[in-house]
Amino acid sequence: DSGVTQTPKHLITATGQRVTLRCSPRSGDLSVYWYQQSLDQGLQFLIQYYNGEERAKGNILERFSAQQFPDLHSELNLSSLELGDSALYFCASSVVGQGSLTDTQYFGPGTRLTVL
Amino acid sequence: DAKTTQPPSMDCAEGRAANLPCNHSTISGNEYVYWYRQIHSQGPQYIIHGLKNNETNEMASLIITEDRKSSTLILPHATLRDTAVYYCIAVLRSNDYKLSFGAGTTVTVRA
Repeated sequence: DSGVTQTPKHLITATGQRVTLRCSPRSGDLSVYWYQQSLDQGLQFLIQYYNGEERAKGNILERFSAQQFPDLHSELNLSSLELGDSALYFCASSVVGQGSLTDTQYFGPGTRLTVL
Repeated sequence: DAKTTQPPSMDCAEGRAANLPCNHSTISGNEYVYWYRQIHSQGPQYIIHGLKNNETNEMASLIITEDRKSSTLILPHATLRDTAVYYCIAVLRSNDYKLSFGAGTTVTVRA
């Protein structure tokens, strides 16, 4: 158990719908990362938040958005869903304090999204 | 981040050591070598990381060559639960970073 929690575990929805995935980081971790993993594309970085602010952006579609709340949990919102959005979505967290060196990302168990 | 190369698959007998090679010939001086593994559709699990020196923890040992162009992850006594995809990545030393996994090595531990 990494200490990172994600809900829900599974999500099945229809095209055009909107869903919200939730992540709670490990206690003490300030940074949250979102990744998408599909069969044909491997693990793709989407976005990173640090202490409530967006820090880095990857290949995140405009239909997707995220935020990190004052209690440090994060939500990933996916809208206008398409069949191709079906994938595993992972959240990771790390300490990443001010001026820190590279630290370790710990992953949650993921949310499996199926768009029908 | 530097590109890493790993064999696509390997088998290992239960109870024996598993040695997983990784080539990172273009790694820069401030890039760490990280190893993660992913057991079928579960979240990637951190194993170990290092910069120059060999490292050991309760899960594995990491041997990095002196020129840092390659490394080996050693699972000292493989069990069936070690069957997974193992990823070797080079991570830039910075305050923020993103991970990108390649195909990795699929390790199958056989009884």
